[in-house]
Amino acid sequence: DAGVTQSPTHLIKTRGQHVTLRCSPISGHKSVSWYQQVLGQGPQFIFQYYEKEERGRGNFPDRFSARQFPNYSSELNVNALLLGDSALYLCASRPTRVTGANVLTFGAGSRLTVL
Amino acid sequence: GQQVMQIPQYQHVQEGEDFTTYCNSSTTLSNIQWYKQRPGGHPVFLIQLVKSGEVKKQKRLTFQFGEAKKNSSLHITATQTTDVGTYFCAVSNAGGTSYGKLTFGQGTILTVHP
Repeated sequence: DAGVTQSPTHLIKTRGQHVTLRCSPISGHKSVSWYQQVLGQGPQFIFQYYEKEERGRGNFPDRFSARQFPNYSSELNVNALLLGDSALYLCASRPTRVTGANVLTFGAGSRLTVL
Repeated sequence: GQQVMQIPQYQHVQEGEDFTTYCNSSTTLSNIQWYKQRPGGHPVFLIQLVKSGEVKKQKRLTFQFGEAKKNSSLHITATQTTDVGTYFCAVSNAGGTSYGKLTFGQGTILTVHP
């Protein structure tokens, strides 16, 4: 079975540009979360989606948005990129059964560099 | 929201030495998880602790959850070079729509010298 897949793996953008990152969860997982990991820090929660609805949002500006599609894949969009948006963006999916419901499986991430 | 403090920030050991990282919270936790992130990699789930005073072992790794459910530790016995990486604790609010939202500690970077 494929794990959580993310694309692209690496990308370089300039300030003010827009970026779209994509994620496919593990088959059967209906919940997807997005995290930002700045170098040297722990991952920070951005969004959680379940059954195509936003179920949680972290302390990030409105430049960050996301959505989940009927096949449970997800996109993270960031507008008006700033240098500080340079980070590893991690997508995670989780099972929705009660046992282990908050155990996350992370994808390999999309490393964004903003110049 | 919940916050967890993780210490130390860095730990350098000789291969064969033991290693411990600690995670502390000012509030009672419903559960705590531990993840490992290899250099250049992504966080990988190690274990979840739920019960007060719980101790779990995975080969050379021992995980403990404090009696008051406000702290936790990860201990590695006789480190190996394969243990290199950053170890994170992470906490969540159990139940409801908080599933999938974890608050991570700052991580402890472990380097092992052969």
